[in-house]
Amino acid sequence: AQRVTQPEKLLSVFKGAPVELKCNYSYSGSPELFWYVQYSRQRLQLLLRHISRESIKGFTADLNKGETSFHLKKPFAQEEDSAMYYCALIPPSGGYNKLIFGAGTRLAVHP
Amino acid sequence: DADVTQTPRNRITKTGKRIMLECSQTKGHDRMYWYRQDPGLGLRLIYYSFDVKDINKGEISDGYSVSRQAQAKFSLSLESAIPNQTALYFCATMEGNTGELFFGEGSRLTVL
Repeated sequence: AQRVTQPEKLLSVFKGAPVELKCNYSYSGSPELFWYVQYSRQRLQLLLRHISRESIKGFTADLNKGETSFHLKKPFAQEEDSAMYYCALIPPSGGYNKLIFGAGTRLAVHP
Repeated sequence: DADVTQTPRNRITKTGKRIMLECSQTKGHDRMYWYRQDPGLGLRLIYYSFDVKDINKGEISDGYSVSRQAQAKFSLSLESAIPNQTALYFCATMEGNTGELFFGEGSRLTVL
């Protein structure tokens, strides 16, 4: 089945440690991929998208078509990075009709 | 600030009752979406709309209906609520073809 998989429900790290939030997808072709984030008491919001090749709040994500992955990385985690992170994609055939989300990974950064 | 507003924010109801969740936006976006969020399942798309005359089913539309009353308003209805519809519901808008969704604060629905 076509899906977006985030294998970790919870990722717990200490401040200053590297972080990698995993995302794999099973769609063929070239989907467009995104990371969304929900901080405590805030709305779900876009963090970054792969076509922009940008770094937001120190996070980067590289699309690996061979491994069909779009992992989110940050070299040094901060306590304010604690949040729920969702990987999402627009299917190749779907235009911009809809985003399909993974189940999410909760990142907890401890002091 | 342009915004996406959902009402009610919290609702407890009983099995078999009809429930409407409302969403209004001042962003001027044509595209509007309803998602439900369940622990361990993430966000799943219920319905989406590109304009007043264009309504589309998402991956989990059974048991739900929607109405796009105006560009700014998109309502989600549960005609006869059941306990497994207990969830957090999100409305969102999208500006053009950006792929960026702007979410409301969510409506928590509990069906007893």
